[in-house]
Amino acid sequence: EDKVVQSPLSLVVHEGDTVTLNCSYEVTNFRSLLWYKQEKKAPTFLFMLTSSGIEKKSGRLSSILDKKELFSILNITATQTGDSAVYLCAVRLAGGTSYGKLTFGQGTILTVHP
Amino acid sequence: EAGVAQSPRYKIIEKRQSVAFWCNPISGHATLYWYQQILGQGPKLLIQFQNNGVVDDSQLPKDRFSAERLKGVDSTLKIQPAKLEDSAVYLCASSSSALVKSGGPSDTQYFGPGTRLTVL
Repeated sequence: EDKVVQSPLSLVVHEGDTVTLNCSYEVTNFRSLLWYKQEKKAPTFLFMLTSSGIEKKSGRLSSILDKKELFSILNITATQTGDSAVYLCAVRLAGGTSYGKLTFGQGTILTVHP
Repeated sequence: EAGVAQSPRYKIIEKRQSVAFWCNPISGHATLYWYQQILGQGPKLLIQFQNNGVVDDSQLPKDRFSAERLKGVDSTLKIQPAKLEDSAVYLCASSSSALVKSGGPSDTQYFGPGTRLTVL
């Protein structure tokens, strides 16, 4: 069974701290890994990773994928209260009837205090 | 570019009643997904459409859930009859293509605001 596990499940930090969120996966037929930020309802897209070792960066957020060890990390530097959200990791499968299917982890709840 | 639209935003029903949700994907997106997100969990795929055909409905409880995308654009998801455990947020997402051979922007799924269903 395909599995995506995120850690930690929740994290409380103060503004200015740096956080690292983890996502490990065990899936058949990996295609890509995606990170989403979910503040109220709709997850909003952050990054898509397909190749190992290539860091994707957007402002204070960055992410990298290790396809050998089957994990990804999402880093947020100089955190702000607006970063408070649930961060979801999802793996996209390829091939057959699972084509395109996203399998999500349970999410990491990040709370940033002023 | 307009995003994925969903309605209603909230719905409260009693168990055994029926409910329907509507989704309009981003214009030109061939692939449409319905997810169920129970509180405290990540979204779980219920059904995936490619144009108006079903690609994957392996996790759809077909005894009570049904979905259609008749003209390959809008989609509806119906629950009949609802159970207490159906209380969740129902998210619709779309992507431009499921046929790309290597990961690219068209693989990205964009989500709508969701419908929060409460079954009493």
